[in-house]
Amino acid sequence: ILNVEQSPQSLHVQEGDSTNFTCSFPSSNFYALHWYRWETAKSPEALFVMTLNGDEKKKGRISATLNTKEGYSYLYIKGSQPEDSATYLCALYSGGGADGLTFGKGTHLIIQP
Amino acid sequence: SAVISQKPSRDICQRGTSLTIQCQVDSQVTMMFWYRQQPGQSLTLIATANQGSEATYESGFVIDKFPISRPNLTFSTLTVSNMSPEDSSIYLCSVAVVGVGTGELFFGEGSRLTVL
Repeated sequence: ILNVEQSPQSLHVQEGDSTNFTCSFPSSNFYALHWYRWETAKSPEALFVMTLNGDEKKKGRISATLNTKEGYSYLYIKGSQPEDSATYLCALYSGGGADGLTFGKGTHLIIQP
Repeated sequence: SAVISQKPSRDICQRGTSLTIQCQVDSQVTMMFWYRQQPGQSLTLIATANQGSEATYESGFVIDKFPISRPNLTFSTLTVSNMSPEDSSIYLCSVAVVGVGTGELFFGEGSRLTVL
């Protein structure tokens, strides 16, 4: 069983502040790393799919980095806005015939006005 | 991309009953996945549903408890059978449009089941 850990479990951030959180995974099982945003009563929505060590991706105020050798990825949100409030999920694809993704429990982010 | 309609969005069920969740995709896709999120837990893959073949179940999930149908490339159902309170979860269907793993997953909005 693969272990994908996310920290912190929840986070309260003031509007306008920047924040970041972590996803850790077993580096020996790495093939791809996904980040999703899941707002209440909506579908999880993909943010990034990352495959290369040192990769850095950006979408608006959100960016992510990847270190496959040490088995972690960071998600950064710059200048948090209320609409950023959601649960952020990371998921590992280990390849080798695996069909699905192994998800972490998520970081629940609340932006306080 | 893919747009997925999933229903019901939520339901309250009695112990011992069964409920079928439907998932409709706006395009033809080969692989569909069914996930479950129990309270406080991570999204966990139940099974992979391929059209024209038996679903492939993950460890800890069995066909008798979670029968799946995949009659065509745009539709699938998951039945939660003989429900108990432990089955109270959010159930999500998802599809991979471009490859498995290196392509993003698209999800339905989920079915939130409460079993009394």
